[in-house]
Amino acid sequence: QKEVEQNSGPLSVPEGAIASLNCTYSDRVSQSFFWYRQYSGKSPELIMSIYSNGDKEDGRFTAQLNKASQYVSLLIRDSQPSDSATYLCAVMKGGGADGLTFGKGTHLIIQP
Amino acid sequence: EAGVAQSPRYKIIEKRQSVAFWCNPISGHATLYWYQQILGQGPKLLIQFQNNGVVDDSQLPKDRFSAERLKGVDSTLKIQPAKLEDSAVYLCASSPRWASTDTQYFGPGTRLTVL
Repeated sequence: QKEVEQNSGPLSVPEGAIASLNCTYSDRVSQSFFWYRQYSGKSPELIMSIYSNGDKEDGRFTAQLNKASQYVSLLIRDSQPSDSATYLCAVMKGGGADGLTFGKGTHLIIQP
Repeated sequence: EAGVAQSPRYKIIEKRQSVAFWCNPISGHATLYWYQQILGQGPKLLIQFQNNGVVDDSQLPKDRFSAERLKGVDSTLKIQPAKLEDSAVYLCASSPRWASTDTQYFGPGTRLTVL
């Protein structure tokens, strides 16, 4: 089983709709969870971080964490064409002793 | 605040040659990471430094890869000799401390092509 799994997509969503991105992780000791956005040919950029169960909202973005199910999601409301990118889910075990473990990423396409 | 700097941005070499990449983290950041991102994959951690000490190098292919962080600031990553499968983008990242809540800031990366 891969440590961090994401559907590679592409996920196609109409402009203005809600895009839902999902991620599962295998290591139960994981404590910190991150969503990075990566445009083609660019480096990853942090979108959201979440550390406790529940929802965390920041503008059009909502991260959801369920540690019991080992599941993290990212919702993008009112999707814009500029949101088209690859979204990487990343996990850190905690204590600062580890780097990030990334999934393969989900390629999101927002259709105008 | 200046971001993470990396050079060169692109490098093309033939297999069995050697290559070195340079990273200058954000000023004052204690932790520095090197990741390898193969096309279509997420970044994979190669090595992590806390100041000038190695915290984790468990995924670094030590028979050909080496890295150092002099004086706890700049870092270099070297590959010798390179193989075809080393073709990837090498990303350097830094974070302020050594805490699980710290944001890691990525540099623009070095795209390596091994022919």
